[in-house]
This record gives sequence, structure tokens and C-alpha cells, in this order.
Amino acid sequence: GNSVTQMEGPVTLSEEAFLTINCTYTATGYPSLFWYVQYPGEGLQLLLKATKADDKGSNKGFEATYRKETTSFHLEKGSVQVSDSAVYFCALSDRFPSGYSTLTFGKGTMLLVSP
Amino acid sequence: EPEVTQTPSHQVTQMGQEVILRCVPISNHLYFYWYRQILGQKVEFLVSFYNNEISEKSEIFDDQFSVERPDGSNFTLKIRSTKLEDSAMYFCASRTGTGGSEAFFGQGTRLTVV
Repeated sequence: GNSVTQMEGPVTLSEEAFLTINCTYTATGYPSLFWYVQYPGEGLQLLLKATKADDKGSNKGFEATYRKETTSFHLEKGSVQVSDSAVYFCALSDRFPSGYSTLTFGKGTMLLVSP
Repeated sequence: EPEVTQTPSHQVTQMGQEVILRCVPISNHLYFYWYRQILGQKVEFLVSFYNNEISEKSEIFDDQFSVERPDGSNFTLKIRSTKLEDSAMYFCASRTGTGGSEAFFGQGTRLTVV
């Protein structure tokens, strides 16, 4: 079945540091890949996505590249801010034979950025 | 900006009681989902709903769970007889189509079973 593995958190960084959160996946088909973010007290928000191999998703300074050969979708940001402190979830969407699809999530990685 | 809304934000219930978690998806969306996240664990898929019927469900979604879209706006998750292990954050989501289209999530309902 499908699965997503993320690095354990919390990740603690100083403002302006470089961020990498690793994500690898297992899927039977050709999934779409997502990063969702959950700020304190809020719901899950889509941060970025990539729908096919070698696509790069980007938003708010965050980037992730769909690497089929390594089954990875690592999240990066060149310079984090205190406001980036949140929980980040890697997810994939795969299509069932029925045609319907659903999301499979990783455990989430908490990012804490200090001034 | 349209959003998915969930009520209540926090529900405390006694073991064995029935609970109904409510969601109002975004109005032009066609696919609806419930996920849950037990504290410290993964966000897990429970069920998807399309065209007024369940389209997929996970092993977690047993006979104690049911979903309903009683009118044109609400989407509810009912747990018939709650257990301690049902304590979790429950997220509702909706989207326009299948495949790579974005799912929009609500803020979640924290269910505590005592």
C-alpha cells in the first residue's frame, strides 16, 4: 500500500537558517505529492504540490522537487522566519482502480524557528 | 475566501455515547473526506464521499462510523458508541475533483472521550 515517511521532529532553527525536511514515499501508481502546513490552532493548508516526476512545487519561499528515482519530495527553504513555525505534513494522492483518490499523510514534522 | 468549517472545535463525550461531528464543505466542491489524527500520530484517512455515497473507506471506518450529507451544505460524521481510542482530532476536507486537485481542510474538531 501507499506510505509516506518524514523525518522526526522537532526541527529547531534560528531565523534565516536553511531548512530541509525530508520526505520519502511508497506508492503503487503515479501519485501526486503535496506538502501541507498546520499553523498553531489552525487547519491543514496546502503549501505546495507536484503532480509528476521532476516537477518542482514552490510557494512562500518553500520548494520541493518530485524525484521519482529516489521516491522523495524533500521540502526546502533558503531562509526561515519565525512565522514559519508550524507542523509540516508530506502527503501523496494516488488513484484507486475505482477512479477515486485520497491522501496518505506522513506523521508531520514540527518546525520551531527562534529569533 | 471560501473555507471548510467544522463544528464544534472541541467535544468532550463519555465512553459509549454517540457524537456527531459537523462540517460545511466549500459550496462548489463535489468530493468530501474525513481524516483523523490521534495525538502524536499520522493523519489517517477515514472515508471519502461522492455523489451521496461512500466512495472509499479505510479499515478504521467500521460499523461504528457513518457519514451523511443531510442537506446541500452539511457533511456529518457520526460515531455511534464512542471508545477511548476514538479520541483524536477529526478533519473534514473537500475538493472539486479527483487526482491532483487540492483538498481544502477545516480547522478540525478535537474529540475527547472520557
